[in-house]
Amino acid sequence: EIVLTQSPATLSLSPGQRATLSCRASQSLTNNYLAWYQHKPGQTPRLLIYGASTRATGAPDRFSGSDSGTDFTLTISRLEPEDFAVYYCQQYDTSPPWTFGQGTKVEIK
Amino acid sequence: EVQLVESGGGLVKPGESLRLSCVVSGFTFNEAWMSWVRQAPGKGLEWVGRIKSQSNGGTTEYAAPVKDRFTISRDDSKNMFFLEMNSLKTEDTALYHCATGYGTFDFWGQGTLVTVSS
Repeated sequence: EIVLTQSPATLSLSPGQRATLSCRASQSLTNNYLAWYQHKPGQTPRLLIYGASTRATGAPDRFSGSDSGTDFTLTISRLEPEDFAVYYCQQYDTSPPWTFGQGTKVEIK
Repeated sequence: EVQLVESGGGLVKPGESLRLSCVVSGFTFNEAWMSWVRQAPGKGLEWVGRIKSQSNGGTTEYAAPVKDRFTISRDDSKNMFFLEMNSLKTEDTALYHCATGYGTFDFWGQGTLVTVSS
């Protein structure tokens, strides 16, 4: 099973600041099959990024994803008030089990 | 508009069984791969299992904690799919979401709450 480790657990920032979230995979992913989701209380998770760096339909362009080997990064260029939420990475390698990271909470400082 | 609606959750005792359902609309269900994803109280998201479309063999895969206890099935004629949960444990307590996607989870239902407690 591929284990995803997200860091930090909590990120305290102000609106307008840049957020950098990390996700490390325990082994290489086929075709960089790594996604990022935003999850707000009372709502369903929202797909933001897939294939490590491709924005999903409707995802604002302030969200971007990148990778370097088994290290993946979600960057929010300038935080908007609606961006404060929990973010999960998820791998969907060729064969399940598919797994999520434990999440990073982006909170208002 | 894509909609996924779960039902069947409730309070059960350890060792008991429960069957969750998910009815979908707004997309071609018989071509869709469907998954169950759960979130225990105060915890993160956990993939439970997946069923492929019948045209891709209709095969299922499960996460290790539920393998041999949970079974996923589908009824394409009714745009529904199911999660049969047996030998439930207290650690299965969670909000269970159905979701669709070929690896990523593009659309989600609001979830149905399963509580396993004596």
